[in-house]
Amino acid sequence: KAGVTQTPRYLIKTRGQQVTLSCSPISGHRSVSWYQQTPGQGLQFLFEYFSETQRNKGNFPGRFSGRQFSNSRSEMNVSTLELGDSALYLCASSLHASGQETQYFGPGTRLLVL
Amino acid sequence: KQEVTQIPAALSVPEGENLVLNCSFTDSAIYNLQWFRQDPGKGLTSLLLIQSSQREQTSGRLNASLDKSSGRSTLYIAASQPGDSATYLCAVIKGGSYIPTFGRGTSLIVHP
Repeated sequence: KAGVTQTPRYLIKTRGQQVTLSCSPISGHRSVSWYQQTPGQGLQFLFEYFSETQRNKGNFPGRFSGRQFSNSRSEMNVSTLELGDSALYLCASSLHASGQETQYFGPGTRLLVL
Repeated sequence: KQEVTQIPAALSVPEGENLVLNCSFTDSAIYNLQWFRQDPGKGLTSLLLIQSSQREQTSGRLNASLDKSSGRSTLYIAASQPGDSATYLCAVIKGGSYIPTFGRGTSLIVHP
């Protein structure tokens, strides 16, 4: 069974640009969660999608958004990039609900904002 | 606001030692607690999940305990091996919203 895949793996952008990251969950998994990991703040929850609906949202500004498609694949978008958005962005999938059961993480997308 | 603290922040031990990693949290209204490992530059791998009604979970050489009333969890690693070298993170899942709060992790090096 294929694991969680994330594309692209590495990305370099400049301040003010926008970026879209993609996540394909394990087949059959309907919940996808996104996380941001930085040396300063550690690992922080961004949001969770289930059946194309945002179910939970962390404490991030509106520049961070996401969506989920009918095949459970998910994208997250960051608009008007800031230097502080440089981070490893991780997505995780689970069968039904991220917080209630084992999550399976992808390898992450490393974003560098210059 | 839930705060999760992991002690120690870093640990270097010789192969074969038994280890205890600690995780403490401030709000005991949790749904479950999860332990993960992260290898450098990679995603997380789930190790153990303890429901709030449970006291411990075991998987191979790993044993995790949970004391919700005192806001503590420990991850015990028996007979450590160099392949155990990684960062270990605990995540506390809030009841109701199921939003996770992660600790900063314990960076473990097991040398031969």
